[in-house]
Amino acid sequence: QKEVEQNSGPLSVPEGAIASLNCTYSDRGSQSFFWYRQYSGKSPELIMFIYSNGDKEDGRFTAQLNKASQYVSLLIRDSQPSDSATYLCAVKRSGAGSYQLTFGKGTKLSVIP
Amino acid sequence: DTAVSQTPKYLVTQMGNDKSIKCEQNLGHDTMYWYKQDSKKFLKIMFSYNNKELIINETVPNRFSPKSPDKAHLNLHINSLELGDSAVYFCASSQDPAGGNEQFFGPGTRLTVL
Repeated sequence: QKEVEQNSGPLSVPEGAIASLNCTYSDRGSQSFFWYRQYSGKSPELIMFIYSNGDKEDGRFTAQLNKASQYVSLLIRDSQPSDSATYLCAVKRSGAGSYQLTFGKGTKLSVIP
Repeated sequence: DTAVSQTPKYLVTQMGNDKSIKCEQNLGHDTMYWYKQDSKKFLKIMFSYNNKELIINETVPNRFSPKSPDKAHLNLHINSLELGDSAVYFCASSQDPAGGNEQFFGPGTRLTVL
């Protein structure tokens, strides 16, 4: 059973702090890793993806991947109340025959003004 | 212009009825998906079509039948609706099913079975 695990939260951080969201996965064949943000009542939207070990930065967001530990994380610097949402981790095998994204159950983030 | 659209946005119906949800994407993508998100917000793949061909068919009751008339459309028909079918159903599309491409989600259809 391929699984993606996330702490469901809620994770509460004060405005301006760093929010750290974690995700572990069980399938060692996973090659692509995605973080989606979902506001309440809305659809998921992609905010970051990462394929290689290490860090990838995009504005206030940093994705970190450690394939040996089967661990991917998302850091949000200078957290804003508008970052309050559920963050979904998703993983995917690549190549022929491996088409689907497997999602975690999401971590609810609350940024307190 | 809306990239991935779904109709209807809300659907309230009685147990035992048959209903359909429609999805259209104007992104020129080859692959479309149906996901179910339950009350605990768990997003689970149901089906995927690539160029009108079924490529993912997860363990879903056969009361659910997807249809792709062309690669821009993927509809979901549900027979004999049950209480447990109540959820938000999301359609999504991507350029390439086997690569790492982003999936774009539609706004969702909230199905309530009474």
